[in-house]
Amino acid sequence: EVQLVESGGVVVQPGGSLRLSCAASGFKFDDYTIHWVRQAPGQGLEWVSLIAWDGVTTYYADSLKGRFAISRDNSKNSLYLQMNSLRTEDTALYFCARDKFPYGSASPDYWGQGTLVTVSS
Amino acid sequence: DIVLTQTPLSLSVTPGQPASISCKSNQSLLHSDGNTYLYWYLQKPGQSPQLLIYEVSNRFSGVPDRFSGSGSGTDFTLKISRVEAEDVGVYYCMQSIQIPRSFGQGTKLEIK
Repeated sequence: EVQLVESGGVVVQPGGSLRLSCAASGFKFDDYTIHWVRQAPGQGLEWVSLIAWDGVTTYYADSLKGRFAISRDNSKNSLYLQMNSLRTEDTALYFCARDKFPYGSASPDYWGQGTLVTVSS
Repeated sequence: DIVLTQTPLSLSVTPGQPASISCKSNQSLLHSDGNTYLYWYLQKPGQSPQLLIYEVSNRFSGVPDRFSGSGSGTDFTLKISRVEAEDVGVYYCMQSIQIPRSFGQGTKLEIK
């Protein structure tokens, strides 16, 4: 069974930093691109970033470039999102999600339950 | 950037009746590899999104056959042939032909 479990969400002050983690199981992690998607309270889905199976190719939403960094450790079946210079508008539920096809880079099929990041003073 | 526009933003449907959601893109989602990268998701209340349809018309594993997707180029439609109570939630389309990936605004389906 494919499982993705996010962690690391907390309350942080504006300007602060945070690292989210996503632990994957039930599939061959290093064959798949993984996405981060976020959802502000009561709002729709916003794509954040993706990292290819090899950890080399990464992409970000334009508004996040330079503040967020995605990475993965295939030996630990884990994905990370380093978030710096946090703003109140970064408050959201952050999901990690597996890409639909191995060695692909399309859209997610399986999603985690999300971890809540609150940026507030 | 690709903008996806969903209509309607909300709909209320009697159980057993059909429902239809439109997703229009400001650019073609047809890739040079011949695939069209348009996906549909349902986010039930309090849950994570779940994949319903991939590449326009392919039902994901376990998705009931009352859900179907169609369309091409820039215009796409998700249809539910007979709405059931468990279909409530917010439906999103998503494109994956271009970076940044993008979602439609969402369509909230309620049961009458």
